[in-house]
Amino acid sequence: GDSVTQMEGPVTLSEEAFLTINCTYTATGYPSLFWYVQYPGEGLQLLLKATKADDKGSNKGFEATYRKETTSFHLEKGSVQVSDSAVYFCALTDSSASKIIFGSGTRLSIRP
Amino acid sequence: EAEVAQSPRYKITEKSQAVAFWCDPISGHATLYWYRQILGQGPELLVQFQDESVVDDSQLPKDRFSAERLKGVDSTLKIQPAELGDSAMYLCASSPRWLAGETDTQYFGPGTRLTVL
Repeated sequence: GDSVTQMEGPVTLSEEAFLTINCTYTATGYPSLFWYVQYPGEGLQLLLKATKADDKGSNKGFEATYRKETTSFHLEKGSVQVSDSAVYFCALTDSSASKIIFGSGTRLSIRP
Repeated sequence: EAEVAQSPRYKITEKSQAVAFWCDPISGHATLYWYRQILGQGPELLVQFQDESVVDDSQLPKDRFSAERLKGVDSTLKIQPAELGDSAMYLCASSPRWLAGETDTQYFGPGTRLTVL
C-alpha cells in the first residue's frame, strides 16, 4: 500500500544552520504531498503542500519540491530558528485521494 | 482565527473503564476526522465523517471503539473497555468538504492524551 518514509530523528542543529529533512514515498497513483508541523502541546498544522510533479510548496521559509522521478519530497530551510523546533511529518494522499497517510515524524531541535 | 476544539486535553483511566472524547470542528466544516497518534509515530485515521455520515471507519476497532456525529457538527469518540494499548494521543481534524478524488486541507485540534493504567 501507499506509504511515507522520513528520516529518523532527532535532528539537532544550531541556529541559522541549513535544514534538510528527507522524505520518500511509495504510491500507486499521483498523490498530493504534504509537510505538517507539530509544536509541543499542539495539534498538527499544515506547513506546505504540492499537488503534482515538479510543484514546489513553500511557507515560512520552508520549501519542498515534488520529485516524481526520485519519489521524494524533502523539506529544506536555509536558516533555521529556535522557534522551528518541533516535530515534522511528511504525508501523502492515498490512492483514492480519500485520506492522508502520515510518516512517523522527525523531531527537530534548534540550539541558540 | 477559528480552531478545532477538543476536550479533555488529558485523560487518565484504568483498563476496562469507559472513556469519551469530544470534538467541535471549525464552524461550517462538513468533514471531520478522528486520528490516533501513538508516541513516536504519525497519526493514523480511525474514522472520517461527511456531515453525520461515516465515510471511512475501516481502521476503527469496532469491538471497543465507537464514534458518532449525530447532528453533523460536533463528534464524540468512545472507547469501552479501554485497554493498555489504547494509550495514545487522539486527534480530531476538520476540513471544509471532502469530495471523491480530492483531499482538502485538514485543520487539527490540540488532541486528547489518553493514558490507560
